[in-house]
Amino acid sequence: NAGVMQNPRHLVRRRGQEARLRCSPMKGHSHVYWYRQLPEEGLKFMVYLQKENIIDESGMPKERFSAEFPTEGPSILRIQQVVRGDSAAYFCASSMQGGGGNTIYFGEGSWLTVV
Amino acid sequence: GQNIDQPTEMTATEGAIVQINCTYQTSGFNGLFWYQQHAGEAPTFLSYNVLDGLEEKGRFSSFLSRSKGYSYLLLKELQMKDSASYLCAVRTGGGNKLTFGTGTQLKVEL
Repeated sequence: NAGVMQNPRHLVRRRGQEARLRCSPMKGHSHVYWYRQLPEEGLKFMVYLQKENIIDESGMPKERFSAEFPTEGPSILRIQQVVRGDSAAYFCASSMQGGGGNTIYFGEGSWLTVV
Repeated sequence: GQNIDQPTEMTATEGAIVQINCTYQTSGFNGLFWYQQHAGEAPTFLSYNVLDGLEEKGRFSSFLSRSKGYSYLLLKELQMKDSASYLCAVRTGGGNKLTFGTGTQLKVEL
């Protein structure tokens, strides 16, 4: 499967635990984006990364959330001390380059439920 | 700030044509995307407009007017499988940060 791969697809965490969501971009893509979709709301931009660099994190909550995209391995979105309000679908997307007419392709999402 | 508006829901008949509108107020406009999203699945790329005019791709067409801050997605020969949410998204600035509308839930009926 050459698409954007996310895992886990579904994750249940108790309040206060940590959630780690992984994303492998499409083959040949070096730009990764994370979006969050709350119930009944649109997709909201969180962060844009290239290998080893955070390019734009203007949509990331100031606390508890972090993201990385190491040279080797998938991009990881980490949520510490989860709260019920973190329950959402988290979508990863990737593109070949960062601008111009580059199409952005989405993964199938990771559904986080905080109980 | 960025603001994108699209109707919440639409209903259409199989075989018909439907137009889903999107209006936006953004700074630094750099292209508009349409995605299709079935419940519980990934948004799937449909079209991209950066210049004014109509882009046609099979049963789907998308139109952009930058001066009016307006786009529409036109779906022809509707099929039951077209029942989904249609997301309008605007790219701003030089990067690939997209601002999404809340989506239009399209229901195709017999």
